[in-house]
Amino acid sequence: QSVLTQPPSVSGAPGQRVTISCTGSSSNIGAGYDVHWYQQLPRTAPKLLIYGNSDRPSGVPDRFSGSKSGTSASLAITGLQAEDEADYHCQSYDSSLSVVVFGGGTKLTVL
Amino acid sequence: QVRLQESGPGLVKPSETLSLTCTVSGYSISSGYYWGWIRQPPGKGLEWIGTMYHSGSTYYNPSLKSRVTMSVVTSKNQFSLNLNSVTAADTAIYYCVGTEEVGATPIDNWGQGTLVTVSS
Repeated sequence: QSVLTQPPSVSGAPGQRVTISCTGSSSNIGAGYDVHWYQQLPRTAPKLLIYGNSDRPSGVPDRFSGSKSGTSASLAITGLQAEDEADYHCQSYDSSLSVVVFGGGTKLTVL
Repeated sequence: QVRLQESGPGLVKPSETLSLTCTVSGYSISSGYYWGWIRQPPGKGLEWIGTMYHSGSTYYNPSLKSRVTMSVVTSKNQFSLNLNSVTAADTAIYYCVGTEEVGATPIDNWGQGTLVTVSS
C-alpha cells in the first residue's frame, strides 16, 4: 500500500488530453512538500518529468504539465502521442514517517 | 554528466545478505551530491531504501533500517548497499540514484537498475 495514491491505469486516444492524480495527506503533499513526477518507459529506469510541482527539466516537452492543490497533485499530458505510453510515478516526502514516498504508479495506454 | 551503474549478484539466497555497488562517473562522489538506493518489485511501485552523503551521514527508510547499511568508497568513486536477512519480498530491481539534497528533492540521476532475485 503506497502512501501516495494514484489510479492504476489511464488511457486516451492520440491527440487527447489525460490527467493522472496523486493523492496524499496532511503529512506529505498537504504539509507543503513538493511533488515530482517520473516517466518510466518499458524496461527502463524512471526519468524525471516534472519537479517542484510544475517545473519541467530541460528537454521535456511542454505537453507535460504538473499542478498541486491541497493534499493532491496532478500530471496532465496534452496532445497524447504513442511514445507517451509508459508508467508514471509521483513522489514527495512524508514528515510523520520521515521517508521519501511514492505513488503506486499509473500505466498510461495510448489507444 | 553524472552516470551511475549498479553491479552485484543477480541471485541471493534467503536469509543471506544482498550487496550492491554503484559506480559513479562524470562526477566526484565527494563533491556534494547525495547518493541513494530505490527499489521496484516486479510489476509494482517504487520504494525508497535510503540516502547518504559522502561524509557518512545516512538516512534510511524506517521500515528497512534494521537491515540496511550504506557506505561510500571515495577512492573508487563508488557507494554500496548491504541488505541483510533477505526474503522473497526483497526481490526487486534496485536503482542507485543521485540527488541534490535528501528528503523532498527530485531524483534527477538514475542508474539503469539491476534485478536481484531472492531464491534458494
